[in-house]
Amino acid sequence: GENVEQHPSTLSVQEGDSAVIKCTYSDSASNYFPWYKQELGKRPQLIIDIRSNVGEKKDQRIAVTLNKTAKHFSLHITETQPEDSAVYFCAARESGGGNKLTFGTGTQLKVEL
Amino acid sequence: GAGVSQSPSNKVTEKGKDVELRCDPISGHTALYWYRQSLGQGLEFLIYFQGNSAPDKSGLPSDRFSAERTGGSVSTLTIQRTQQEDSAVYLCASSEGLAGGQFFGPGTRLTVL
Repeated sequence: GENVEQHPSTLSVQEGDSAVIKCTYSDSASNYFPWYKQELGKRPQLIIDIRSNVGEKKDQRIAVTLNKTAKHFSLHITETQPEDSAVYFCAARESGGGNKLTFGTGTQLKVEL
Repeated sequence: GAGVSQSPSNKVTEKGKDVELRCDPISGHTALYWYRQSLGQGLEFLIYFQGNSAPDKSGLPSDRFSAERTGGSVSTLTIQRTQQEDSAVYLCASSEGLAGGQFFGPGTRLTVL
């Protein structure tokens, strides 16, 4: 099955700086890669996703890049704000027609004032 | 519109008891998923339902776990003879078909004493 690795496990940045979280996946046939933000005690929220037919997608301060050859994808947050502090999870959808997601182990992002 | 809802929000039970967790998906979403999140961990896939197709049960950790979805809407996850290692947050998600993004409910925190 699919295996997703995520780095770093914790990330601390100064307000206004950029943050980058990286994930690798094992199944070259995986075709959909969402990112979730989870604040303490809250549900995971879908913040951005990318499909395998594109290399980059942006939505205001967040962007995701995908390198299918290397089987890795990254989340980029620019101009970080304190409210960006949360745990971020990457995921990959396995091939085979279903929508089962395999998640990374999460990155605790802390944006310091 | 209303998001995914789950009940109860918290459940404390004694080892060996059975528990039932409920999920109400977003109206019109045909796919429904169950995941488990242990403390400080990522999300572990359990099972998903899509329309009238047979569910994908490949993530269920043992035969003590089962789930059903009645009328293509509400789903119930049942854990029989609960064990302490079953303690976790059980998250439900739904999507508009198998290609859509998954939206999560608030989860049920299960504690097995």
